[in-house]
Amino acid sequence: SQQGEEDPQALSIQEGENATMNCSYKTSINNLQWYRQNSGRGLVHLILIRSNEREKHSGRLRVTLDTSKKSSSLLITASRAADTASYFCATDGNSGYSTLTFGKGTMLLVSP
Amino acid sequence: GAGVSQSPRYKVAKRGQDVALRCDPISGHVSLFWYQQALGQGPEFLTYFQNEAQLDKSGLPSDRFFAERPEGSVSTLKIQRTQQEDSAVYLCASSLDSADTQYFGPGTRLTVL
Repeated sequence: SQQGEEDPQALSIQEGENATMNCSYKTSINNLQWYRQNSGRGLVHLILIRSNEREKHSGRLRVTLDTSKKSSSLLITASRAADTASYFCATDGNSGYSTLTFGKGTMLLVSP
Repeated sequence: GAGVSQSPRYKVAKRGQDVALRCDPISGHVSLFWYQQALGQGPEFLTYFQNEAQLDKSGLPSDRFFAERPEGSVSTLKIQRTQQEDSAVYLCASSLDSADTQYFGPGTRLTVL
């Protein structure tokens, strides 16, 4: 079963615009991670935010985490056509190892 | 260095056939995970190894699914008597240790006719 729910399911923007994707989850977590998946390729790890962090930046990526609302957002600034991909949030539970529970993903299309 | 590799990249099987999917993790990575990704969905956990020990197989959907990692490096996911509902992309991931970032392979796309 999938814990996370991303919204929107699909997002279409123009190059240079910002893209915001949201993720909600159900149970307590240690970390929340965002992954990108291009068509026909594996998942690429983008960023990890720990449960005691509220915001994290990496290049053009900004992630926020609100554990009280069990939600996270991923902001991609100044988007590029190469950012076109599916984006997934993944949470790990409180087990001693990081079995990831993924959402269904947001499909982002960035048009030139 | 080399990332996680998987083979074959594509596999077409007739219903009822057995298949074996291989995963080569990043050298030195202790933890290895298998996930199943149906079309339009996110990956779902199948099983977890720490070295050669299979510590969690709670995600395996039926007893037709079997995974092993006998020497603590390469892992094989075997599906016996494949069914159409087994059609999916099977992803392997490895991490340095159990709580570290997981690095995913490109996956094996299995189509069962």
